[in-house]
Amino acid sequence: DGGITQSPKYLFRKEGQNVTLSCEQNLNHDAMYWYRQDPGQGLRLIYYSQIVNDFQKGDIAEGYSVSREKKESFPLTVTSAQKNPTAFYLCATASGFGGELFFGEGSRLTVL
Amino acid sequence: AQTVTQSQPEMSVQEAETVTLSCTYDTSESDYYLFWYKQPPSRQMILVIRQEAYKQQNATENRFSVNFQKAAKSFSLKISDSQLGDAAMYFCAYRSTQGGSEKLVFGKGTKLTVNP
Repeated sequence: DGGITQSPKYLFRKEGQNVTLSCEQNLNHDAMYWYRQDPGQGLRLIYYSQIVNDFQKGDIAEGYSVSREKKESFPLTVTSAQKNPTAFYLCATASGFGGELFFGEGSRLTVL
Repeated sequence: AQTVTQSQPEMSVQEAETVTLSCTYDTSESDYYLFWYKQPPSRQMILVIRQEAYKQQNATENRFSVNFQKAAKSFSLKISDSQLGDAAMYFCAYRSTQGGSEKLVFGKGTKLTVNP
């Protein structure tokens, strides 16, 4: 089944802990993205990657880190430096230039 | 930097009637893409419709159509014969065609309620 898989769907974390959100795709898309969604804020871009071993900061990259070692995978680490990490996180992919984004089902992170 | 503005945080419509959601954007580019995405309560983002700026003809997808006014930088979504399943958050998004800028910029969304 082709698609984008995000895991876990729900995650709870204590303050001061790092946590990694997984995003895997089998669509053979080059570009991958991480967005954060908060109520009333729409979607804000955290990081994106257009090719393996390369990625760029988005609008709200502070407190986050990513890697792109494989085309299929783009994990996001929420570090303890992120001051307000409780949010809904969406991973997306795009096939090529100008194409629309395809989204995973999202991960809900709650900091206790 | 490009910005996208959705001025209606919430809208409501009666089932079977028509509703229009507004979106304006700011850019200095002449070629770009515009999208409307739907996010139902399941939170899965679903593409509703897309428009390429170089095309003058407004895009349509079944009951969904857009009114693209390039000079005014306006991109509204019209939903005809509204159905209960249309209830969702709707996001307008902009994407540059310039290399190295292939990210989507989203508006803050409009929550659409469909009343039976």
